[in-house]
Amino acid sequence: DVKVTQSSRYLVKRTGEKVFLECVQDMDHENMFWYRQDPGLGLRLIYFSYDVKMKEKGDIPEGYSVSREKKERFSLILESASTNQTSMYLCASSARLAGGLDNEQFFGPGTRLTVL
Amino acid sequence: AQSVTQPDIHITVSEGASLELRCNYSYGATPYLFWYVQSPGQGLQLLLKYFSGDTLVQGIKGFEAEFKRSQSSFNLRKPSVHWSDAAEYFCAVGPRGTGFQKLVFGTGTRLLVSP
Repeated sequence: DVKVTQSSRYLVKRTGEKVFLECVQDMDHENMFWYRQDPGLGLRLIYFSYDVKMKEKGDIPEGYSVSREKKERFSLILESASTNQTSMYLCASSARLAGGLDNEQFFGPGTRLTVL
Repeated sequence: AQSVTQPDIHITVSEGASLELRCNYSYGATPYLFWYVQSPGQGLQLLLKYFSGDTLVQGIKGFEAEFKRSQSSFNLRKPSVHWSDAAEYFCAVGPRGTGFQKLVFGTGTRLLVSP
């Protein structure tokens, strides 16, 4: 079965703390993504990666960074957490098919982060 | 820029009644189209997708969706709703052709099922 796991379901941090959100997929997918989900705004792409050590900014990268040292793992880093980063964070992965087309995205269960 | 509109924030349907969730998109060309479902406390699960071919697409859990190019729509339907269908539903579009598939999501429609 396809599986994307995220290190924590719930996380509470204080303003100014450095926060690491981890995502692991066991499907050997090339592409990995980080989204944040807020009520009324849907899912917004923060960063994505299409290969190890490669990363691209999404629509809302400010205040975030990412790391992809291994194919199966994609980390989202909040260098100095702020209250406006309180949100649900979703990780996803997808395969690169023949011809360069990307397949559907598979999602993890999400991490609900609260920054106090 | 591409965008996805789900005009209904909430919809309440009686159990056993039919369902239609609306999705309209704005895109330069016909995109790839997806519907995802998110149950409370869960991640997103793919219900169905349209890449090409038959414009009526069958998905999991008895859902179907119809792509209408002239209306730039991809509405999700189910003939008889079950209480377990209560969830949030997201429509998404992605670029056609080779290259990285960066999806654009709608804001979601929350489905409530009444007894």
